Formats: sequence, C-alpha cells, structure tokens
Amino acid sequence: GQNIDQPTEMTATEGAIVQINCTYQTSGFNGLFWYQQHAGEAPTFLSYNVLDGLEEKGRFSSFLSRSKGYSYLLLKELQMKDSASYLCAVRDRGNDYKLSFGAGTTVTVRA
Amino acid sequence: DAGVTQSPTHLIKTRGQHVTLRCSPISGHKSVSWYQQVLGQGPQFIFQYYEKEERGRGNFPDRFSARQFPNYSSELNVNALLLGDSALYLCASSSGQFNTEAFFGQGTRLTVV
Repeated sequence: GQNIDQPTEMTATEGAIVQINCTYQTSGFNGLFWYQQHAGEAPTFLSYNVLDGLEEKGRFSSFLSRSKGYSYLLLKELQMKDSASYLCAVRDRGNDYKLSFGAGTTVTVRA
Repeated sequence: DAGVTQSPTHLIKTRGQHVTLRCSPISGHKSVSWYQQVLGQGPQFIFQYYEKEERGRGNFPDRFSARQFPNYSSELNVNALLLGDSALYLCASSSGQFNTEAFFGQGTRLTVV
C-alpha cells in the first residue's frame, strides 16, 4: 500500500498564496492527482502529474518530484470559494485501477 | 451532458440490514469505481468495474459486493450493516480502465443506526 501524508489544516488570507505539501511512499509510482472537495460535495479533479516538474492551470499549479516522493499544490490569488478540502491521491503501477488518497488538507480562506 | 449520478443521496439504515446504492456513469464511460469516505478522511477504494468485469478490489469484507450492468451503470451492495459502515459512498467514472481523470458523483450519505 501507500503512505500518503498531507497537513490537516491550513489558513490563509484572501488574495494570498498557499502551498499544500504531499509526501508519499509507493512501490511503483504511476501518477499523482489533486482533487478539491467542498463540504458535502463530490471531489473534483484539479491536476495530474506523472513526470517531474510543474504543471500550471490558471491559479492552480502542481509540482512533482518522484525521487523525493513529494508533490505540492499551489493556490494563488486565493478566493473565498477556494475554502475546501484538498486531496492528494497516488496511483501505483501494480494497482493501476485505483487511487489511494491522503486524508485531505482543509484550507480556510479568511477575508 | 449529465455527470455521474448516484442514488439515493441520503439513506438511513439499521444495523444488520442490507443496502443497495446505484451509480450511472457519464455517457460513454465504461469504468466505474466505488469509494468509501468516512468523515475527516480521504476516500478509500472499494471496487473497480470495467466492461462489466471486476478489475480491482480494495480491503473490504465480503459483505461488500458490486456489479456492473450492460449499460455500464453499477450497484454497490452491503450486507449485514455495521455502525462503522456509516460514510459517504462515492462513485467515479472514467472512459477507460486506466484513465488519468476520474469524475466523481455527488455521493450517497449512508447512516447506520
């Protein structure tokens, strides 16, 4: 199985930047995903990294270092609607059919 | 286009009862996965079905079973419900078996009392 660790909670101010770190251990890495989940709603896909480096999508960017077993999700120009749980998930080459999720990081954006 | 739809949205059952949860994937998607999300935790993988066959199973007891129909919709069945089965049950669909993006339904909130 995988060990996926991410901070439990983070708080930031509207307009600021927040970086959510995720570390993982897996026997055969085959992709890392970030999902956003608002309270009581379904997770929605944010990003996918399989090669090292930075993937940018508007205000959201995700970075991966396979050698370090490390990823981060960067949220820029924070808005109140970004208050949500952010889930890091890893796919293992030996178990391509499933995603293994971390417990999620609850981000609270304050005015 | 309709997204992933799940029914019912909320359900209350008594310990020992049986429950069936339903999922309709996005039109054209052939893969359906089921996840259990306990409050405060990330989703835990239960099953994946692709082309009507079970392709993967998580670490859940045999009380949990599922199937996929010819139209690619799916049912998750849980027998002999326990209090610990109370959770949000999420269905995710993707077009292929190993796609990069899975689309989640809104979930079924199951409460066992």
